[in-house]
Amino acid sequence: EAEVAQSPRYKITEKSQAVAFWCDPISGHATLYWYRQILGQGPELLVQFQDESVVDDSQLPKDRFSAERLKGVDSTLKIQPAELGDSAMYLCASRSRSSKNIQYFGAGTRLSVL
Amino acid sequence: AQRVTQPEKLLSVFKGAPVELKCNYSYSGSPELFWYVQYSRQRLQLLLRHISRESIKGFTADLNKGETSFHLKKPFAQEEDSAMYYCALMWGGTSYGKLTFGQGTILTVHP
Repeated sequence: EAEVAQSPRYKITEKSQAVAFWCDPISGHATLYWYRQILGQGPELLVQFQDESVVDDSQLPKDRFSAERLKGVDSTLKIQPAELGDSAMYLCASRSRSSKNIQYFGAGTRLSVL
Repeated sequence: AQRVTQPEKLLSVFKGAPVELKCNYSYSGSPELFWYVQYSRQRLQLLLRHISRESIKGFTADLNKGETSFHLKKPFAQEEDSAMYYCALMWGGTSYGKLTFGQGTILTVHP
């Protein structure tokens, strides 16, 4: 069964360093989402792509976060510089046009900022 | 703005007992609601959606628009039901739909 792939699984970095997370959605899924999940809370949407275009980045802290999906397939989320408050799980999800609004999630990247 | 509230952070029951995980929402449009589940060391996955009106692993959930609720129920809990459960609301239309999640309920089923 196809799955959303994310890497790395874990990332430890120091404050003010740059970090990047990668996501490969299920093949053929046009919509890709990045969520942030702080410990003890539900996931919160950061950015949504439709193919290679951003359709919603209203919750993305654009002074330090950026996201791209250049060829409309895999995606990268970057933080520069990282801050202590960025420590969280970063989840990627994808959805096909015919998937009845069902989003499929990756295993996530756990970020710890020291 | 849309919001999903799960009032119970933790819920403990014994095996064979009924279980109900509460979910309330606020949304001005026509809601589409989901329950997602995360078992230990596994990724977040869909449990059920209100539109399909299915029973999955013995769980059911009915959308009550009058009470703006979408509670998840199971008549006889099993130990393998122990997990984190998230209620989620989809908004933004079918083409660009996005999810707003509740804070989650940790269900523990004791033997």
